[in-house]
Amino acid sequence: NAGVMQNPRHLVRRRGQEARLRCSPMKGHSHVYWYRQLPEEGLKFMVYLQKENIIDESGMPKERFSAEFPKEGPSILRIQQVVRGDSAAYFCASSPRDRIYEQYFGPGTRLTVT
Amino acid sequence: GENVEQHPSTLSVQEGDSAVIKCTYSDSASNYFPWYKQELGKGPQLIIDIRSNVGEKKDQRIAVTLNKTAKHFSLHITETQPEDSAVYFCAASRADNFNKFYFGSGTKLNVKP
Repeated sequence: NAGVMQNPRHLVRRRGQEARLRCSPMKGHSHVYWYRQLPEEGLKFMVYLQKENIIDESGMPKERFSAEFPKEGPSILRIQQVVRGDSAAYFCASSPRDRIYEQYFGPGTRLTVT
Repeated sequence: GENVEQHPSTLSVQEGDSAVIKCTYSDSASNYFPWYKQELGKGPQLIIDIRSNVGEKKDQRIAVTLNKTAKHFSLHITETQPEDSAVYFCAASRADNFNKFYFGSGTKLNVKP
């Protein structure tokens, strides 16, 4: 059973460009979460989604950030007009419907804004 | 909201010794406490968890204890090995909001051979 997949693993963007991060949850998992990790810090919750629904986006900045989890395909975290402060590791996690308290993390996407 | 504090930030032990990492939380409604191990360049890996109706849980060389009254929980690793070297994170969440994990700031464990 493949784990949570994220791509790309590394992404470099210039200031003002768009960054698009993808996450495929584990097979059978219908809950997806996105976290951001700054260097030397813990993970900070951003958003929680189920298929076609955003359940909780209280940790996501109101501007420039958006997330989706369509009926078909991976979950996408989109950052528009990136700034240097967006440089971080972005992790996706998924959990099964019957044990939503267990979150399994992907390898992360390391975003560098130059 | 919940605030999770983790200590120490770095821990160096000799191979074979025990390591203890401690976390405190602020929200008395929190009732699920997982621990994650993160190796360099990788995502966090769930290693053990505990729910608030249990005071201790053990899995081979790893154990977690929970003191609900004092609102703290600890990770214990016995007979440490070099491959235990990594960053360890504690987290807390509550049953009515399992989706939102609050993470500690991490402990960098170095096991010297």
